[in-house]
Amino acid sequence: EIVLTQSPGTLSLSPGERANFSCRASQSVYSRYLAWYQQKPGQAPRLLIYAATSRATGIPDRFSGSGFETDFTLTISSLEPEDSAVYYCQQFGDSPPYTFGQGTKLEI
Amino acid sequence: QVQLQESGPGLVKPSQTLSLTCTVSGASISSGPYYWSWIRQPAGKGLEWIGHIYTSGNANYNPSLKSRVTILRDTSKNQFSLMLTSVTAADTAVFYCARISYSYGYMDVWGKGTTVTVSS
Repeated sequence: EIVLTQSPGTLSLSPGERANFSCRASQSVYSRYLAWYQQKPGQAPRLLIYAATSRATGIPDRFSGSGFETDFTLTISSLEPEDSAVYYCQQFGDSPPYTFGQGTKLEI
Repeated sequence: QVQLQESGPGLVKPSQTLSLTCTVSGASISSGPYYWSWIRQPAGKGLEWIGHIYTSGNANYNPSLKSRVTILRDTSKNQFSLMLTSVTAADTAVFYCARISYSYGYMDVWGKGTTVTVSS
């Protein structure tokens, strides 16, 4: 099983600042199969980034993804108040289970 | 616009079987290439992939739940379902159905989720 470890657990920042979320995999993940999600309280997760670097439809360009193999990063370049949420990374490797990180909570 | 909607009992007794249905609109579960999946989230915790069924009808399950999980589909109703047997309080969670891209493995369309509580 591929374990995804996200850090930090909580990020407290101000509007306009830059946020970096880390996702480290216990073994190499093909970039094609690494995604990021945003989840607000009481809502389903929302796809932000897929294939490590590609923005999903309708996602603002202040969201970007980078990384490869075992180290991946989600960046929000200039925070907006509505970006407060929990952010998850997810991998879809060669075999199940297809796992999520434990999440990073962003407080603005 | 593709939409998914979960339905089923909100309360299940311990040792019984949890059964949920996901109704898909705006796309056919028989055409792909997509996986149709179930994910759960205990209150205040992270997300856990339970399993999925492919457009062909083949299913994959999380090994940690494999002995208790079955995912089936009803193409005539454009629905797929989840059955989880021998439930305990640890199975209490919000259950989501979601569509997974076959090519990239991302979950791009989600249902709103349904809360299932296991309690006597």
